[in-house]
Amino acid sequence: GAVVSQHPSRVICKSGTSVKIECRSLDFQATTMFWYRQFPKQSLMLMATSNEGSKATYEQGVEKDKFLINHASLTLSTLTVTSAHPEDSSFYICSATLQRQGLFLDEQFFGPGTRLTVL
Amino acid sequence: AQSVAQPEDQVNVAEGNPLTVKCTYSVSGNPYLFWYVQYPNRGLQFLLKYITGDNLVKGSYGFEAEFNKSQTSFHLKKPSALVSDSALYFCAVRDLNTGFQKLVFGTGTRLLVSP
Repeated sequence: GAVVSQHPSRVICKSGTSVKIECRSLDFQATTMFWYRQFPKQSLMLMATSNEGSKATYEQGVEKDKFLINHASLTLSTLTVTSAHPEDSSFYICSATLQRQGLFLDEQFFGPGTRLTVL
Repeated sequence: AQSVAQPEDQVNVAEGNPLTVKCTYSVSGNPYLFWYVQYPNRGLQFLLKYITGDNLVKGSYGFEAEFNKSQTSFHLKKPSALVSDSALYFCAVRDLNTGFQKLVFGTGTRLLVSP
């Protein structure tokens, strides 16, 4: 249980286009999903926290108009990179939390990541 | 602010030998600590966590971690390393200053197990 999927796993796009990445919790309802960005040989940088039915909370320095996050249901969150540029090329990872009966202590379950390359 | 530090960029160990991947933490209040592993081009996989209770936490794939409050450490250990353990390991702490289950990650330690 507690599987998180991401689609696509890899995407190549031209500069100026927009790319949508989906994150799904396959066998549980995730009230909160997180979006991370990882540069080569570096740690994960949290971009935003997404709660179902409400606006995402962005970390300092992350452009909300550039990285649009939608969390329309308890099993799906999307990240759209708008007007992508080569510097947006990165590995994007989502995660979801499983809340059990009001306990708020459970670990995050991570998706396999999406490799974005902007030409 | 909550933070974790992983002082080693890389750890090399021979197969069959014990391994240790170091992590120290800085938190206000009780620490909720985690270890994750990442294989190439993959997301993170949960290994283990410490919230409360026994200082020695056992996790997946034979890994364990020892919580040491006096040294503010949470080192990851395994008695006998396998070549397949070669991966990137992240220590993380739950940020309790937000209402969400936000994790703060260390910079990661690459483990290389040689045959």
